[in-house]
Amino acid sequence: QVQLQESGPGLVKPSETLSLTCTVSGDSVSSGSYYWSWIRQPPGKGLEWIGFIYHSGSTNQNPSLKSRVTISVDTSKNQFSLKLRFVTAADTAVYYCARVFISGALHWFDPWGQGTLVTVSS
Amino acid sequence: QSVLTQPPSASGTPGQRVTISCSGSSSNIGSNTVNWYQQLPGTAPTLLIYTNTQRPSGVPDRFSGSRSGASASLAISGLQSEDEADYYCATWDDSLNGPVFGGGTKLTVL
Repeated sequence: QVQLQESGPGLVKPSETLSLTCTVSGDSVSSGSYYWSWIRQPPGKGLEWIGFIYHSGSTNQNPSLKSRVTISVDTSKNQFSLKLRFVTAADTAVYYCARVFISGALHWFDPWGQGTLVTVSS
Repeated sequence: QSVLTQPPSASGTPGQRVTISCSGSSSNIGSNTVNWYQQLPGTAPTLLIYTNTQRPSGVPDRFSGSRSGASASLAISGLQSEDEADYYCATWDDSLNGPVFGGGTKLTVL
């Protein structure tokens, strides 16, 4: 059974960097069959794709966040990470990590981590 | 403002059939497959329907999906109280070169 678990600070100050890690169990981030993604959900709002990474290190990010986002993978720890720079209150959200299947026109997120709430406040 | 348009709410009584729509454009639903996610209160989303019509193992056949042109629909038959949740459609957007989600539909079982 594949499981993903997000970890990181729940409170970040404005203008600082949000850093989260997703630990994968039951699968390997090196497997090559999947990509690994971050998605966020502001309180009471919908889902927003942040970006994803392949085990090779190649990434794809949402253009609206690309200038502030870095996604990396650590195959030795079976983890992947998110850094979001220069955060504001608008970045307050539940952040989810998820495994992504991508093949041509097909893609889906499954499974998802339980999510972690990150609040941006001084 | 989400790229995909869903009604903010839907409702039905136990046993009824309800349908949730998802409208997009030629750059997303019109040229790519659609997935649906269910988010029960206070939990993470889970995959409900993938590739327009496919159900992952464990999803009851009461749930079905369809796609036509630049729109898609999720149908739930034999509505049950445990179906009360938020439902999100999603697909790939060729202009964005990435996944996009609908704004979500909150389903209430009366």
